[in-house]
Amino acid sequence: GAGVSQSPRYKVAKRGQDVALRCDPISGHVSLFWYQQALGQGPEFLTYFQNEAQLDKSGLPSDRFFAERPEGSVSTLKIQRTQQEDSAVYLCASSSLRTNNYGYTFGSGTRLTVV
Amino acid sequence: AQSVTQPDIHITVSEGASLELRCNYSYGATPYLFWYVQSPGQGLQLLLKYFSGDTLVQGIKGFEAEFKRSQSSFNLRKPSVHWSDAAEYFCAVGKEYGNKLVFGAGTILRVKS
Repeated sequence: GAGVSQSPRYKVAKRGQDVALRCDPISGHVSLFWYQQALGQGPEFLTYFQNEAQLDKSGLPSDRFFAERPEGSVSTLKIQRTQQEDSAVYLCASSSLRTNNYGYTFGSGTRLTVV
Repeated sequence: AQSVTQPDIHITVSEGASLELRCNYSYGATPYLFWYVQSPGQGLQLLLKYFSGDTLVQGIKGFEAEFKRSQSSFNLRKPSVHWSDAAEYFCAVGKEYGNKLVFGAGTILRVKS
């Protein structure tokens, strides 16, 4: 597609529920990033994929967070047993190694509210 | 570790007035520096970036930024603000090609008519 697509746009989860957030990157983009943006804060890095390989997951806050990109295209960020502190906007970005450095395109994000 | 400080949480300027948003970074080597803009409910849009060379960088929408190594700063400027510039602005630093970005907490710009 023309841009990075994230779904759902909004998600309300009860505390303890598992959630899955989807990211469709720009077709052909090799690199994919997930960021977490808490209210009133800047985005914080969660994890990075190059094709299907997860090269950096140093930003995942706990073992309840898991991300995958099995075919090197669509990615899913899964959060198990959600807690209130997980409430945030989750942003996905993709880039092509053939474009300028850091040529990220961000999606509009998924706003997760844990109640 | 890298870090970014945006000292101003909110800034209000009159339409047509000049704008400067401050950004200070902490990083040992030459950083890759960025400014992004985020409108409500939207993703981040890149305004401009600095990797090397000329320390005055031109971006989209009439924005520019100046890299000052001695002050560890990368301030964003615009000579005449338009009402459509009202948004949140984020400064970010990166270490190397394709790597993760570290963002500041953002500055919310309000434009009054």
